Amino acid sequence: DAGVIQSPRHEVTEMGQEVTLRCKPISGHNSLFWYRQTMMRGLELLIYFNNNVPIDDSGMPEDRFSAKMPNASFSTLKIQPSEPRDSAVYFCASSSPEGEAFFGQGTRLTVV
Amino acid sequence: AQSVTQLDSQVPVFEEAPVELRCNYSSSVSVYLFWYVQYPNQGLQLLLKYLSGSTLVKGINGFEAEFNKSQTSFHLRKPSVHISDTAEYFCAVSGHRTNAGKSTFGDGTTLTVKP
Repeated sequence: DAGVIQSPRHEVTEMGQEVTLRCKPISGHNSLFWYRQTMMRGLELLIYFNNNVPIDDSGMPEDRFSAKMPNASFSTLKIQPSEPRDSAVYFCASSSPEGEAFFGQGTRLTVV
Repeated sequence: AQSVTQLDSQVPVFEEAPVELRCNYSSSVSVYLFWYVQYPNQGLQLLLKYLSGSTLVKGINGFEAEFNKSQTSFHLRKPSVHISDTAEYFCAVSGHRTNAGKSTFGDGTTLTVKP
């Protein structure tokens, strides 16, 4: 397996634009997670899915953020409209039933 | 629910010296425990894990950790560090048959190895 695949690796966008981050989890993993990492706040869990169903989205910072998982092999995290304070590295991870997490390489988002 | 405390946010150490990164957890159920490493501009990758069995767990790059149930700790150790071990290290815990495979992460410890 190629591991968790995220795209794009880098995204630079203007304030107010819509941003969509994509993730392909490891085949067979039933849980998928979206994290955000910044110097100020560290690693934050935004939302996680189990069997394609959102289980806990309490970490989503505001209504501008939304996430979907239409099937077991694809998830998106959307920010609309984007703001400079959304600049961060966004990680997607999928996990084994025991909770061993496999992270993607991340998407570095810069909102100018 | 589970929680994790990494007791040191930064650990500076000289090359070839031993190092210990401390991790304590709390949980109302039995746990699985993990250490991850994050090198600059990369994602987190698994160093080692405790699922069951021997409480001394060996991982990649010469690291090991010991699960101590009575002290609810899972400290990470390496007898002799290299410059290349400079990275951020995260301890994580998940509960048996709870939270659908979700782990709770600590805040991370930055290990800086000096020549």
